[in-house]
Amino acid sequence: NAGVTQTPKFQVLKTGQSMTLQCAQDMNHEYMSWYRQDPGMGLRLIHYSVGAGITDQGEVPNGYNVSRSTTEDFPLRLLSAAPSQTSVYFCASGGIEQPQHFGDGTRLSIL
Amino acid sequence: KNEVEQSPQNLTAQEGEFITINCSYSVGISALHWLQQHPGGGIVSLFMLSSGKKKHGRLIATINIQEKHSSLHITASHPRDSAVYICAVHTGNQFYFGTGTSLTVIP
Repeated sequence: NAGVTQTPKFQVLKTGQSMTLQCAQDMNHEYMSWYRQDPGMGLRLIHYSVGAGITDQGEVPNGYNVSRSTTEDFPLRLLSAAPSQTSVYFCASGGIEQPQHFGDGTRLSIL
Repeated sequence: KNEVEQSPQNLTAQEGEFITINCSYSVGISALHWLQQHPGGGIVSLFMLSSGKKKHGRLIATINIQEKHSSLHITASHPRDSAVYICAVHTGNQFYFGTGTSLTVIP
């Protein structure tokens, strides 16, 4: 049972590049979400999904896209990376109104 | 505007001490979560509360819905408890997080 798998663990991008952060879970959870964690600010919700085919915006959605074509996968896309998107990104999954399981995080630097 | 406020931000304790971390929130919630983030960065869920009190080993979490306040207690603290403890609230389909309390337990 792998839990929540995030890839890559580290990534360096140049301003303007695009990339996709992958998130997969094998626990058949309905709710999946993406967060960014910045020093002194705590975790902030970027986008979330309550099931396949359903996504919605969180607190800080600008510059990011998501899709949920299957229950298992919830990729996060940066369309045109900016230095302000340098952060640590976490994916999480859980039942709706249940404890959440977090991935190990992706440390992303944008130059 | 911070929906979730935690105190203290930093805490240093001697091994064996009783520790309390506080969380106040300003929104209506369906549940409150306590999370632990280790120095390596991984985040694990400790408790999910919607009322009353929960206990797991040396950890106790309480919530007062009327006062919009929760506390996390660690009894007989140990160096392995050193971590960042994060309070999060679940409202609608969204989560809001405190900035965390960094706990260091000295042997």
